[in-house]
Amino acid sequence: NAGVTQTPKFQVLKTGQSMTLQCAQDMNHNSMYWYRQDPGMGLRLIYYSASEGTTDKGEVPNGYNVSRLNKREFSLRLESAAPSQTSVYFCASSSTTTSGRASEQFFGPGTRLTVL
Amino acid sequence: AQSVAQPEDQVNVAEGNPLTVKCTYSVSGNPYLFWYVQYPNRGLQFLLKYITGDNLVKGSYGFEAEFNKSQTSFHLKKPSALVSDSALYFCAVRTEGDNYGQNFVFGPGTRLSVLP
Repeated sequence: NAGVTQTPKFQVLKTGQSMTLQCAQDMNHNSMYWYRQDPGMGLRLIYYSASEGTTDKGEVPNGYNVSRLNKREFSLRLESAAPSQTSVYFCASSSTTTSGRASEQFFGPGTRLTVL
Repeated sequence: AQSVAQPEDQVNVAEGNPLTVKCTYSVSGNPYLFWYVQYPNRGLQFLLKYITGDNLVKGSYGFEAEFNKSQTSFHLKKPSALVSDSALYFCAVRTEGDNYGQNFVFGPGTRLSVLP
């Protein structure tokens, strides 16, 4: 199993450009997440998808949109990139336990995005 | 609101010595606690978790953590550190009512350096 994969690994954008970060998991997990990691701030949740067909905002959703294309794939789109969106972006997924709650999360390798 | 504190930005320890990485948390309700490790240019890897049961939890790579409800702490420990343990460590918490994992809260991270 590849686990959680993300593309691209690196990206440089100019202010105002758009792009989509791709994420896929092959673990048959129901829930998927997008985080951003900034120095000294841990990880902050941008959006999550509890199951196929549903998406919800996290802590820092402004400037982003997401699509849960199917159970495997969860993409993050920046419509008009800003320098404040320079960060490392991680996709994660988790399964559902027998009690119906999300288990620990499994992370992709990350996308390092720079917005000039 | 939930929060996680990792009071040390950096922990240095000599190879072969015991290590401790500290974590304290604040939640309303029963906590589910997690430790993750991040190696350079990689995603986070799950180490261990406390959900319920024994306060001492054993995880991957010889790590363990002790849940202390009265002190609201979940410190990560290892009896004998290896140079290869050098990495960034994150503590995370979610509550029993967080069904989809959308309320994982991560600490800011502690950088562990194991010196040969």
